[in-house]
Formats: sequence, structure tokens, C-alpha cells
Amino acid sequence: KNEVEQSPQNLTAQEGEFITINCSYSVGISALHWLQQHPGGGIVSLFMLSSGKKKHGRLIATINIQEKHSSLHITASHPRDSAVYICAGDQGVQGAQKLVFGQGTRLTINP
Amino acid sequence: SQTIHQWPATLVQPVGSPLSLECTVEGTSNPNLYWYRQAAGRGLQLLFYSVGIGQISSEVPQNLSASRPQDRQFILSSKKLLLSDSGFYLCAWRRKGLAGEKGFGPGTRLTVL
Repeated sequence: KNEVEQSPQNLTAQEGEFITINCSYSVGISALHWLQQHPGGGIVSLFMLSSGKKKHGRLIATINIQEKHSSLHITASHPRDSAVYICAGDQGVQGAQKLVFGQGTRLTINP
Repeated sequence: SQTIHQWPATLVQPVGSPLSLECTVEGTSNPNLYWYRQAAGRGLQLLFYSVGIGQISSEVPQNLSASRPQDRQFILSSKKLLLSDSGFYLCAWRRKGLAGEKGFGPGTRLTVL
């Protein structure tokens, strides 16, 4: 079993729709990261969460520590949001953390 | 601000040839450095990480090795490439500490023929 699991693997929606991507993680993960990977492969860090909720523009990330679950939401989705969204967990001791990655969710927003 | 450089961007190599991928970081000192690989259709997998010069930890047994000759330089190598070494290689840095500011390189797409 993977330590970080995402769903769905693929998601196609129409422009303007509200998008939710889910991530579950196992014991030993101390913080959760949401990343965005564009078709060329480059990765951008979106959020790092250890509790609560964070918002940046149309992106919202939440985490429930008790349930070991995090969600990434996109409001008023746009074709430029099309990318692979990756959930990753921090593992290891402070100062030597490693990221454990989920499989990624391929999001396609159609105009 | 921090910048991470990775080269080359793409590489096509024959089976059995050597490999050297280089990654350098600017704008930070004493970072943790990481090499990840993403095989086609798969998630990112940690290959090596380093917490300091000359300190390398290997996550999975493989045909590859890593070295950190300078604080902000991380090199991924192989003496003889295998077909299974094909993939997207990503270098990353992370600041030590709780907040752990981090960044990812642009990646190298390696095809072994």
C-alpha cells in the first residue's frame, strides 16, 4: 500500500466547474504538500499544510489530521488549470525530511 | 530568491553508455538536495538525497549513483545505462528546518535506446 494515495487518477471537467482532488496518507507523514506538474515536467509547489486550510487565489487546500486526509479544491476552473496535481507527504526527521509522492491526478479543463 | 538549474533538458543515450546529470542551486546554503525519477505514467520516486557535502543516502537499489562535491551541486551518474533507466529525472532542494522552503528543477528527460 502506498503511503500517499490520491483520487481520482484522471479528472475531466468543463470550464467554470468546482474541482476537488483527494489525498489520503498514512502514519509517519508529518506534513502534506500539493504540487502542480505541467506538461513539460516542471513542478511548482502550491501548498504545504500541517493543519487547517490554506487559500491562494482560486486554489484552496484543506487537511484533516485525525482522518489523515487532504483535499485540493479549484474554484471557477479554467483550461490553464489543466495539469497533473500531486500530493506528497513529509517523511523523516526534521532537517532530513523526504517527500513521498502520490500517483498524481491528471486534470483536464475543457473550454 | 532561490534558483535551481538542471542540465541537460533532454538526453538520448545508448544502452551501456555512461550518464552524468548535474544540478546546481543558487540563493541558499546548506540545503538538502534530492534526485527523483518519474517513469512513464508513474509517480515520482526518490532515488537519492543529501543533507550535506559528501553525504548521500540511497533510497532504492539501482544502477545509479549520486555525489555532492560542493554544497550546492548534486550529480547523478551511471557507469552503464540500462533501458529501465529511461524516465524524467528531477532535482530538488529544500531548506533545513520546520518550514522547509523548497524548489524543483526543470527536469531532464532521459531516453535510453
